[in-house]
Amino acid sequence: DTGVSQDPRHKITKRGQNVTFRCDPISEHNRLYWYRQTLGQGPEFLTYFQNEAQLEKSRLLSDRFSAERPKGSFSTLEIQRTEQGDSAMYLCASSSPPGQILTTNEKLFFGSGTQLSVL
Amino acid sequence: KQEVTQIPAALSVPEGENLVLNCSFTDSAIYNLQWFRQDPGKGLTSLLLIQSSQREQTSGRLNASLDKSSGRSTLYIAASQPGDSATYLCAASNQGGKLIFGQGTELSVKP
Repeated sequence: DTGVSQDPRHKITKRGQNVTFRCDPISEHNRLYWYRQTLGQGPEFLTYFQNEAQLEKSRLLSDRFSAERPKGSFSTLEIQRTEQGDSAMYLCASSSPPGQILTTNEKLFFGSGTQLSVL
Repeated sequence: KQEVTQIPAALSVPEGENLVLNCSFTDSAIYNLQWFRQDPGKGLTSLLLIQSSQREQTSGRLNASLDKSSGRSTLYIAASQPGDSATYLCAASNQGGKLIFGQGTELSVKP
């Protein structure tokens, strides 16, 4: 499978616990994005990386959230002291910058997401 | 601040009908506009990407148009099929690739 993969697919946790999600992008893509989606809404941007550099963070990303991409390959998103309002689908996507891979033409390729439920 | 709106929120059509989904955006300084499909509980699948300098893109039975001056994009689906049932999302992109999504249109195609 050469698509974007996310692990785990589902996570149930108790309020106050920490959780960590992993995303493996398409190997030749150097841009990686995290989005959050709640039921009936479109995805909301959280943060993105170009290689290992985190270039933008949304104000939605409180100080309980941290994302890393240490070697410019896979990324992790950690939520500390989870709250019920954190329950959502967390989506990862990757893309290539303009001109790098003409066939994919800057399209974002999404993983299947991690569904988080905080009890 | 970019805002993206999709109308209608839900649409039900009989099989074989042609249909149009609408997307509007408030900031015309977009880098590109993308249409995605999302099946229940799944991630998003990219359908079409229109660069800001383009007016439309076509893929099979799908055609997407872009009018930056009016802040609108449409997705046209020809000869709809039950397998087209899904939520369709449009998203406006800045140069860094950050997407601002609409709320989506949930399409149901009845056999």
